[in-house]
Parts: sequence; C-alpha cells; structure tokens
Amino acid sequence: GAGVSQSPRYKVAKRGQDVALRCDPISGHVSLFWYQQALGQGPEFLTYFQNEAQLDKSGLPSDRFFAERPEGSVSTLKIQRTQQEDSAVYLCASSLAPSFSQPQHFGDGTRLSIL
Amino acid sequence: DQQVKQNSPSLSVQEGRISILNCDYTNSMFDYFLWYKKYPAEGPTFLISISSIKDKNEDGRFTVFLNKSAKHLSLHIVPSQPGDSAVYFCAASAGNQFYFGTGTSLTVIP
Repeated sequence: GAGVSQSPRYKVAKRGQDVALRCDPISGHVSLFWYQQALGQGPEFLTYFQNEAQLDKSGLPSDRFFAERPEGSVSTLKIQRTQQEDSAVYLCASSLAPSFSQPQHFGDGTRLSIL
Repeated sequence: DQQVKQNSPSLSVQEGRISILNCDYTNSMFDYFLWYKKYPAEGPTFLISISSIKDKNEDGRFTVFLNKSAKHLSLHIVPSQPGDSAVYFCAASAGNQFYFGTGTSLTVIP
C-alpha cells in the first residue's frame, strides 16, 4: 500500500520487557514523527526525524525510550524495561517536506499493553 | 499544560445540518493549524489546514476559520453526513513540534 505502515498492530508485553515498534513511512517522505496516544487523549509528540537525523527528541518521556531511522526510511521506536504507564497507542506519521507546515500522514498505530 | 484544547468531548448533529467543532489554543507562536479525522482503530486522517496568515480556508463541505486575536479555531461541516461521524482532532505547530487537542467525537444522526 501507499500509506504509512506500522507493525505490529498490537503488542502485549510483561512489565520489564523490551519492545520494538516499527514504522514504514510513505516512500520519499523526508520527515517522520512518533506520537504516543493515551486513552481519551490526543496524540502527544515524542520525536521527529528529518531523513536519518533525529532533530527533536524532547517528547520522549524517559531514557527508556529510544528511536532510530538509520537509513532515512524505516524507523524503530524501542522501549526498554517497559512500565505499565507505557501502555498506549504509538502512532507514526510522515510528511513529504522537511517542514512542520505540512500535513502529516499517519499509520494506524501500534496498541501496546504492558501487563 | 494543554496548549491546544477542545472543550467539547462530544457533539451530535442531525444529518444535513451544520456541524461546528471548536478548538482553543494558548501559544501565540503557532503558525499552522490542522484538523484531523479519526475512525476507531485507525490513524488520524488529514482533513484541512490553515496557515496563520489566513483567517479562512475552504475545501468542499469543510471550512476552517481562524481567529488569531481570540486564539480560536473552528471547523464547519456543511451539510453533515452520517459518514462524518468520527473523532476530530485539531492540531497546531510552532517550530518543530506538533500539538494536538483531546478530540471531539461527532455523531451525525441520519
């Protein structure tokens, strides 16, 4: 498909385990964003890549969260030593231009549940 | 500190009537505003946007109004259709961050 693809769609992990969430952006999109959406809330910004460069990671809630985009396309969000408060939907978005004045195209998200 | 606020969690409108969704923001540095529509178990879908140099943008049945002095944004849907039933998020950007509201669930009653 031509849209943003995220995998897995659902992930259940035990507290303390590490998880890795994958995002395949739209081909050719320069910018890639990760968001965390808690139940009943809007998406909250986590981090932003322009190509392979992580230009902003100010939204990452702790040093247990790590994101990478080594070749400027696919991105992985890793959460180490997961906690129950990490349970949320993690959304990835991409946009064509390296600018925040462009619409972002979202994937369907990964719903993470920490037991 | 919620920089973008949608104070109405839900709204019900009769089919064919106008739906008005509201959004308030606190940061005067925001220069780009968007509305997204979200169905259950799907990611948000871009609907319409407006830059801070404009006060209105129209796309078919959807019109976004921006009142910078009041720091207020609204989305008008005319006429409303049952397929418009979804959660609507407003979003704003300043610098290199995006801020989303908490969403308004719109139900269009046939």
